[in-house]
Amino acid sequence: KNEVEQSPQNLTAQEGEFITINCSYSVGISALHWLQQHPGGGIVSLFMLSSGKKKHGRLIATINIQEKHSSLHITASHPRDSAVYICAPTNTGNQFYFGTGTSLTVIP
Amino acid sequence: KAGVTQTPRYLIKTRGQQVTLSCSPISGHRSVSWYQQTPGQGLQFLFEYFSETQRNKGNFPGRFSGRQFSNSRSEMNVSTLELGDSALYLCASSWTSGRATDTQYFGPGTRLTVL
Repeated sequence: KNEVEQSPQNLTAQEGEFITINCSYSVGISALHWLQQHPGGGIVSLFMLSSGKKKHGRLIATINIQEKHSSLHITASHPRDSAVYICAPTNTGNQFYFGTGTSLTVIP
Repeated sequence: KAGVTQTPRYLIKTRGQQVTLSCSPISGHRSVSWYQQTPGQGLQFLFEYFSETQRNKGNFPGRFSGRQFSNSRSEMNVSTLELGDSALYLCASSWTSGRATDTQYFGPGTRLTVL
């Protein structure tokens, strides 16, 4: 049983396209993190949100706690956005759950 | 300010051996968490230390252990290595122990191969 489901698993886009990655979870959470992992392994935390919406440059993250759903949007995608994006909800007990990740490839 | 550092970056061991990995958090951070990443299981939480105390533990056997020193540096140890322990081991640090309120800063990882 997967507490966190991400879709799609793989995504290929043309440079400049608008991209959406979805995350649904079944556990009660207090916050959700979106992580980015480039080839080679390094992970960067993109967003941490507990309600509403956050924007950072071309990245936008939204969360609906009642519907247990979060989305990560990338506007005007660029080849340097190619990475694996991981959704990681956390509950009030500090436990981290992880999605399996969405592998994004942006073609020039 | 220096980021999270992990040593060594790559390690090859044989079954039955034991291994110790090290993580130095960002200066001032008191929480260090450890994660295992494999192609089959993805990212999994191992444990978290805050001010030298283990605060949370994931669902891993007792062969996996850790500790944190007074300078917040942390080590994790895996005894009696198994082939399935081959993975990327990541540590992350944060100011506090609260994942609901605090950004995690990840290190580059240690890639362990067990032969």
